[in-house]
Amino acid sequence: DGGITQSPKYLFRKEGQNVTLSCEQNLNHDAMYWYRQDPGQGLRLIYYSQIVNDFQKGDIAEGYSVSREKKESFPLTVTSAQKNPTAFYLCASRQTESYEQYFGPGTRLTVT
Amino acid sequence: GQQLNQSPQSMFIQEGEDVSMNCTSSSIFNTWLWYKQDPGEGPVLLIALYKAGELTSNGRLTAQFGITRKDSFLNISASIPSDVGIYFCAGHPNTGNQFYFGTGTSLTVIP
Repeated sequence: DGGITQSPKYLFRKEGQNVTLSCEQNLNHDAMYWYRQDPGQGLRLIYYSQIVNDFQKGDIAEGYSVSREKKESFPLTVTSAQKNPTAFYLCASRQTESYEQYFGPGTRLTVT
Repeated sequence: GQQLNQSPQSMFIQEGEDVSMNCTSSSIFNTWLWYKQDPGEGPVLLIALYKAGELTSNGRLTAQFGITRKDSFLNISASIPSDVGIYFCAGHPNTGNQFYFGTGTSLTVIP
């Protein structure tokens, strides 16, 4: 079954702790993206990666970090420097020659 | 980053009615995408449009790529309760790797 998986579905952390969100895809897509979704706002781009070992900052990269060591995997770390980390995080991917972007099921992160 | 203007923000309709929503941009796009998102879930791609003036259908859904390339429209015919959710648009310009997203239209279908 091809698709994008994100885990866990719900994540709770204490303020000051770093947390890593997982994103895996078996669609053989080159490009992967991380977005943040807040109520009443459109999706905002955190980071994206076009190929392995390369990634670019999006509009709201401060307080986040990523890695792309494998084509299938694009984990996102929310660091303690992110001032307002509680949000719904969405991972997406697409094939380079296509503009059809597909999303994972999302991870809801709550930091207290 | 740019956010697209999507309207209406919310709609409450009777089952069986048709629905229309639109998305506008201040800049030209080469691709328009329409998604549906259920609460707490990831968005699902409904329709992709690639050419100005293009009209594409997916079941009861029809979307159009505006001829100015700065807007797109989504219509849902004969709505049913499972159409409930948030619909949002996304656009991709000719250059760069970034998509831009609308703020969504929340659809409620009253049985």
